[in-house]
Order: sequence, then structure tokens, then C-alpha cells
Amino acid sequence: GENVEQHPSTLSVQEGDSAVIKCTYSDSASNYFPWYKQELGKGPQLIIDIRSNVGEKKDQRIAVTLNKTAKHFSLHITETQPEDSAVYFCAAQGDSWGKLQFGAGTQVVVTP
Amino acid sequence: GAVVSQHPSRVICKSGTSVKIECRSLDFQATTMFWYRQFPKQSLMLMATSNEGSKATYEQGVEKDKFLINHASLTLSTLTVTSAHPEDSSFYICSAKRLAGGLSYEQYFGPGTRLTVT
Repeated sequence: GENVEQHPSTLSVQEGDSAVIKCTYSDSASNYFPWYKQELGKGPQLIIDIRSNVGEKKDQRIAVTLNKTAKHFSLHITETQPEDSAVYFCAAQGDSWGKLQFGAGTQVVVTP
Repeated sequence: GAVVSQHPSRVICKSGTSVKIECRSLDFQATTMFWYRQFPKQSLMLMATSNEGSKATYEQGVEKDKFLINHASLTLSTLTVTSAHPEDSSFYICSAKRLAGGLSYEQYFGPGTRLTVT
């Protein structure tokens, strides 16, 4: 089955700096890669996703890149703000049921 | 984004009792919903896949007789934790698949339910 690894586990950045989180996956058949932001005590919120026919996608300060050959994808947050502080999860989906395999999560702390 | 609700948000129950958690997709129909469990500072663990009108598919190691799932309509799935014990205390989160265009889907999560078994 699919295995997703996520790094780093924690990331501290100064407000205004950029944050990058990287994930690798094992199943070359995976074709959908969403990113979720989870604040304390809340459910994960879908913030951006990318499909295997696209190499990069951007939404305001957030961007995701996908390298299918290397089987890795990354989340980029620019001009970080304190409200970006949360746990971020990457995921990969390869089967028709839509089951997602999640990474272990990255705790992002943005200090003013 | 799409809206998924869960009820209750928090529940405390006594050991041996059963608890039902509801998951609703408010602005879209979801033929497939998922139930996850999350322990503190850990990732999401898929418990089961719930398909409207059919039996749920449980992940390995999840007791189907203990975690009863019903997906009676395109907007509602329920998880019942039967004969709850303290080790069942956890954060339970549902998610729903929404058609995003063509044959593509997106998955949206509910706010979660904090279950505490005393």
C-alpha cells in the first residue's frame, strides 16, 4: 500500500519568511495530493491540492509542487503570518475509493 | 470549500455505554464518507469507509462490531461506539468525498468529536 513520509516534523519561522514542507510517497499509481491545515481541537481543512497531471499550483501565498518521477511533493507558504501556525498534513490518494494516506504532520510555528 | 458538520462536538460517557456520532455533508451529496481516529500529536488513522446504501469497509484491526457505521443517506453517516471503554477515548473525525469536476474528487473533513469515556 501507499506510504507517505513528511518532513520536517516541526518548523519554526519568523513572520514574513517562507515555510516549506516536503512529502514523499511510495505508490507510483497515486494521482491526487491534498494538503490539510489542522488547528488545535479542530478538523483538518483542505487548503490546496494537486493532481498528477499538474506540476505546480498556486493559491495566493500557498503553492504546491509535484515531481512524479521522484515521487515527492512540497507545500510552500510565503510571507508567513502568525495565523499560519498549525499542523499541516500532506496526503496521497491512489485507489478508486478515495482513501487518503496521510503523512505524520508538520507543526508550523510562526513567531512575530 | 464544502461544509461537513459533526455532532456532538464533545461527549463524555460512562464505561459500557454506547455513543453515536453524526456526520453530515451540508451543501453537497456524499456517496462516500470516511471515519478517522486521531490521538494527540499524531496523524489521522482511517477506521472505515462508509458508502451510502451499503456496508462499511473497515480497516485492518478495527472492530466492526464495536464501531458501527451507518450511511443511510447521501448526506448522513453515523458512527456508534458500542460498549465504550476508556481506551476508546479519542478525537473522531469524519470526512466526505465531493465531486470536484469530471471524475475528480476532493475530501472535506468535519470539525471532529472529542469522546471521553470515564
